[in-house]
Amino acid sequence: DIQMTQSPSSLSASVGDRVTITCQASQDINKYLNWYQQKPGKAPKVLIYDAYKLETGVPSRFSGSGSGTDFTFTISSLQAEDIATYYCQHYDDLPYSFGQGTKVEI
Amino acid sequence: EVQLVESGGGLIQPGGSLRLSCAVSGFTVIHNYMTWVRQAPGKGLEWVSVIYSGGNTSYADSVKGRFTISRDNSKNTLYLQMNSLRAEDTAVYYCARTRFGYTYDYWGQGTLVTVSS
Repeated sequence: DIQMTQSPSSLSASVGDRVTITCQASQDINKYLNWYQQKPGKAPKVLIYDAYKLETGVPSRFSGSGSGTDFTFTISSLQAEDIATYYCQHYDDLPYSFGQGTKVEI
Repeated sequence: EVQLVESGGGLIQPGGSLRLSCAVSGFTVIHNYMTWVRQAPGKGLEWVSVIYSGGNTSYADSVKGRFTISRDNSKNTLYLQMNSLRAEDTAVYYCARTRFGYTYDYWGQGTLVTVSS
């Protein structure tokens, strides 16, 4: 099974800051990666698919990059409503595992 | 409007069984891949099972042989039959539409399953 390792596990930033989260796959997954946002008590919401494609309706301050084993998720200017936990998820082969999550706080 | 509404969760003793339901509106279950994802309290997300539009299914090793995913096309509802439940199955269970087979674009609100004596 492919393991996904996210870092950091949590971070604290200020409104307007640039925030970067990394996700590393245990083997080459090409660009088969999604990023999700989960707010407390809510279901996850997809933000990025295919490693860099922005889901319809998602603000452009969110972006993704990378391929192979190393991926990056960026919030270009953190907003108060971005407080959440973010997860990467690969879909190279079943099981489609998630990273352990990164909790973003202000 | 797309809606997924899970039900069927609750408190169950170890070894017991539960059937979760996910009632869907806004799209047809039979024409989509559908997935169950769970989240233990305070923990991350775990893929559980998928049913493809053709009816094939797949399961995480942790639930294989104990859980069964199915659907009722006439009710446009997805199910997860969970048998031989263990404490480690305690989680919020989400159903999700699986776009192109790998992106979960619509989710239910989740239903909590607690396995405890």
